[in-house]
Amino acid sequence: GENVEQHPSTLSVQEGDSAVIKCTYSDSASNYFPWYKQELGKGPQLIIDIRSNVGEKKDQRIAVTLNKTAKHFSLHITETQPEDSAVYFCAARSSGSARQLTFGSGTQLTVLP
Amino acid sequence: DAGITQSPRHKVTETGTPVTLRCHQTENHRYMYWYRQDPGHGLRLIHYSYGVKDTDKGEVSDGYSVSRSKTEDFLLTLESATSSQTSVYFCAISESDPVGYTFGSGTRLTVV
Repeated sequence: GENVEQHPSTLSVQEGDSAVIKCTYSDSASNYFPWYKQELGKGPQLIIDIRSNVGEKKDQRIAVTLNKTAKHFSLHITETQPEDSAVYFCAARSSGSARQLTFGSGTQLTVLP
Repeated sequence: DAGITQSPRHKVTETGTPVTLRCHQTENHRYMYWYRQDPGHGLRLIHYSYGVKDTDKGEVSDGYSVSRSKTEDFLLTLESATSSQTSVYFCAISESDPVGYTFGSGTRLTVV
């Protein structure tokens, strides 16, 4: 099955700086890669996703890049704000008939004021 | 979370007792999933459903069973709870491929 590794596990940045979180996946047939943000006491929420036929996608201060050859994808957050502090999870869609996602272990992002 | 409700939100139970967690959706989505979240492990799939009465196992299914008799409800049962099943359980739904999941707010289960 699919295996997703996520780094770093914790990340602290100064407000206004950029943050980058990286993930690698093992199944070359995986074709969908979402990112989730989880605030304390809540369920994860989708913030951006990318499909395997696209190399980069942006949504305001958030961007995701995908390198299919190297089987890795990254989340980039620019001009970080304190409200960006949360746990971020990457995921990859496993091949097969079920729409199941395999998640990375998460990154605790702290934006320091 | 709009369209998906988990109950109960918190539960404390004793080792060896059966426990059932409920996930209810109003979105009429075909796919439903149960994940558990533990520190250092992220979210791990327990069971999933791709339709009424159609379910399958995930990577950490031992000790868990599920049922889906209606589109809107997906039940997770711990037949005989153990301390290792202390965790936060999340239900998720998805409509079709390729879209991300919508998660519920979670159930915090403590087995003492």
